[in-house]
This record gives sequence, C-alpha cells and structure tokens, in this order.
Amino acid sequence: AQKVTQAQTEISVVEKEDVTLDCVYETRDTTYYLFWYKQPPSGELVFLIRRNSFDEQNEISGRYSWNFQKSTSSFNFTITASQVVDSAVYFCALSEAYYGGSQGNLIFGKGTKLSVKP
Amino acid sequence: NAGVTQTPKFRVLKTGQSMTLLCAQDMNHEYMYWYRQDPGMGLRLIHYSVGEGTTAKGEVPDGYNVSRLKKQNFLLGLESAAPSQTSVYFCASRTRQGPNTGELFFGEGSRLTVL
Repeated sequence: AQKVTQAQTEISVVEKEDVTLDCVYETRDTTYYLFWYKQPPSGELVFLIRRNSFDEQNEISGRYSWNFQKSTSSFNFTITASQVVDSAVYFCALSEAYYGGSQGNLIFGKGTKLSVKP
Repeated sequence: NAGVTQTPKFRVLKTGQSMTLLCAQDMNHEYMYWYRQDPGMGLRLIHYSVGEGTTAKGEVPDGYNVSRLKKQNFLLGLESAAPSQTSVYFCASRTRQGPNTGELFFGEGSRLTVL
C-alpha cells in the first residue's frame, strides 16, 4: 500500500531562516510520481512540483528546492531565506504511474503547517 | 479561465438533510476527484471518475454518492448528512495524457457544516 508521511506537524521559523519540510513515502511501484502542494491561509491548493521516480536530480526554483532520494524514500522540500508569505500548510503527495490508463490517484500526507514570523 | 469551480462554497446542514456539491471544470479533463480535508488528516479521496459515466470509490466513500453524467461535471451527494461529514471538500481534475498529466487542478473548496 502507498503511504506518505510528513512527520513534522508544525514548524515555526523567523523570517530569513532556511527551513526543510520532510516527506517520506512508501510504495511498491517502481514507477511513481511525487508532488508538493501549498495551501495558504486562504485555503486554495497550489501545485508546486512534480517529480517522477526515474529523475533523482534535485530541483531549484528560486528560493525553493527539492531533494529526492530513492535510497531513503524521501522527497524533502527546502525554503531558503523564508518569508512571511511562505506561511502555509504544505502537502507532499504520491501517485502510482498513470500511463496506460492507470488512474494514478494521489495519496497525500497529513501536511506540515509552516509559520514564518517577521 | 475558470478552471475548477465548486458550488456552493459554504453550506450548513442539519443531520439527516441531503445536499449535492457541484464541481465543474472547463479544461476538458478526463479525470475528476472529490477529496475531503479534515484537521490533521490531510486530504482523503472520497470518490473519483476516470471518464464520463464512470465512478469509483476512494479511501473514504461511505455516506457519499457521485455521478459524472457530463464530462465537465462531477457531483458529490450526501443523502443523509451526519456531523462526521463536517469538512472542507475539494474537487480536482487532471488530464489523462500529455506532459502535464498528473498535476491536479483543485477547486477553491466547499466548507460544509452538519449540525
């Protein structure tokens, strides 16, 4: 069975600190996809990144970076120089491969609430 | 672009009442989903549909029914609401093929309170 664990329920940092959100996943599939979504206080869900299981390259997008390590089944998310606007709940998610007609349903972790204080 | 639209945004029900949440997407997506979000529980899949006329159960389907009569619409029904169904409901859709397949597009959520 697939499972996503975000062990950090809440994190509080001061602006400009770096912060890493942890995500550990379980799956028996050899091909799968990992995602991060952001949910700001306004409530909408914002897609941040998708990574497939064959691509272990780290990715950087501005202040955001993602570290994917298959050896430890982790897909961690780092915010550099955090800002107040980064305050949100962040969800990590996993889906099986969806080519060939598979429905590829996303399984979400329980989320990490990040509070960035000025 | 409207994307994914949910109606209503807020609703208060009494135990035993029925209601329907409507999800509409204008992106011609094949797949549609209903999730519920509860504090500390993340998002849990209720039902989903892989195409017009098809539906399937997700992780927490009990107490809900769905229909996908038109490709652009996915309805979530509560026949006899219970307080345990107090939650925020999110609809999502995604395309089946192409470079962006896998990315879920979410609606803004519908907050339902059952008294």
